[in-house]
Amino acid sequence: DTGVSQDPRHKITKRGQNVTFRCDPISEHNRLYWYRQTLGQGPEFLTYFQNEAQLEKSRLLSDRFSAERPKGSFSTLEIQRTEQGDSAMYLCASSSSSTNEKLFFGSGTQLSVL
Amino acid sequence: ILNVEQSPQSLHVQEGDSTNFTCSFPSSNFYALHWYRWETAKSPEALFVMTLNGDEKKKGRISATLNTKEGYSYLYIKGSQPEDSATYLCAPEQAGTALIFGKGTTLSVSS
Repeated sequence: DTGVSQDPRHKITKRGQNVTFRCDPISEHNRLYWYRQTLGQGPEFLTYFQNEAQLEKSRLLSDRFSAERPKGSFSTLEIQRTEQGDSAMYLCASSSSSTNEKLFFGSGTQLSVL
Repeated sequence: ILNVEQSPQSLHVQEGDSTNFTCSFPSSNFYALHWYRWETAKSPEALFVMTLNGDEKKKGRISATLNTKEGYSYLYIKGSQPEDSATYLCAPEQAGTALIFGKGTTLSVSS
């Protein structure tokens, strides 16, 4: 068990470009979460999956953001037509499917939009 | 949107001081309350998951209490050490929803 891994660790892109991040959860975990964190704020919920089903998506999330979890394993988060306001740390976490279970976080992907 | 309040926003103490933080959350549809520690350049790490009113959890010098009826939790650190410097996040868990985190309390411990 190598924990939750995220790729890439850092991404610098120009405004208007599309970016895609990958998250590999702990293998036996059914739930996978995406959060975004900006300076001085706690992690902001984006979306989460139970196996391959996307169960919840933040109402604050722009249509430029999309996430997938094919086959209930790894997940990808894509941001289309990036804006400077998208610059943030994107965190992935996983947990078992039971309630009251703690989340295990990856190291995050730091996105900088120039 | 779930309203989670943490106070204070930041705190600076001397090594050996004891300190505590507060997390306030809606008491309706409550399932659990999570506490996480986030050290600089690392990933957030779970400290406690608390479910019952009156619950108390302890991990070394860190402990937490929970009041689900009034919607608050306290995190205590006894005899703070420089390695306790981190941001402490709380997140209530409601039925069928993902964790919503507060903004955190950033603790700095000077030696």
